[in-house]
Amino acid sequence: DTEVTQTPKHLVMGMTNKKSLKCEQHMGHRAMYWYKQKAKKPPELMFVYSYEKLSINESVPSRFSPECPNSSLLNLHLHALQPEDSALYLCASSHFRVEGVGTDTQYFGPGTRLTVL
Amino acid sequence: AQSVTQLDSQVPVFEEAPVELRCNYSSSVSVYLFWYVQYPNQGLQLLLKYLSGSTLVESINGFEAEFNKSQTSFHLRKPSVHISDTAEYFCAVKAGYSTLTFGKGTMLLVSP
Repeated sequence: DTEVTQTPKHLVMGMTNKKSLKCEQHMGHRAMYWYKQKAKKPPELMFVYSYEKLSINESVPSRFSPECPNSSLLNLHLHALQPEDSALYLCASSHFRVEGVGTDTQYFGPGTRLTVL
Repeated sequence: AQSVTQLDSQVPVFEEAPVELRCNYSSSVSVYLFWYVQYPNQGLQLLLKYLSGSTLVESINGFEAEFNKSQTSFHLRKPSVHISDTAEYFCAVKAGYSTLTFGKGTMLLVSP
């Protein structure tokens, strides 16, 4: 099973709202990722968690706040977003190799389509 | 640093015709290569990958890709496409401890 689930599928929020995106996997992966994808563009990496610790933050604005409560769950908390933050938000997971160079094949969820009004 | 180039932003093709989607990469170290497919309004699905071993890798739905180290390429091919293959295809590379780097994508448009 290579399934990553994301909820909600669609989200519409105002600029003053607070909302959260949720991602879940049960493949025993210890690395989880958040990507942002604009229309007709490749995904852009936002955050990487390895063993529930934030290991990469690609200079993402603080209005995006990730959280990894356990090895299966990844959240993205949203606050005071801008209309330009409207995009497809993708979660992915992979094995994490501590020793050597890992293949880290990433498996993606279906995404949350976010619209900021 | 690594990079991926997908020269064709869009490839129109008729149903049952063969297709090749081109992908070239650059890296100073050994790489792992991936093709992902994204159907409209969906997430990315892993289509196939090259990690090591045989340079020709195949997917369950008839696509194949060949790793060519001398030409630094990983082109995706299918001998006969279906309407349902219409999608965006992303080539991606991972080298060493770096994160996954995606190409800009190629939209495959299959018409009857």
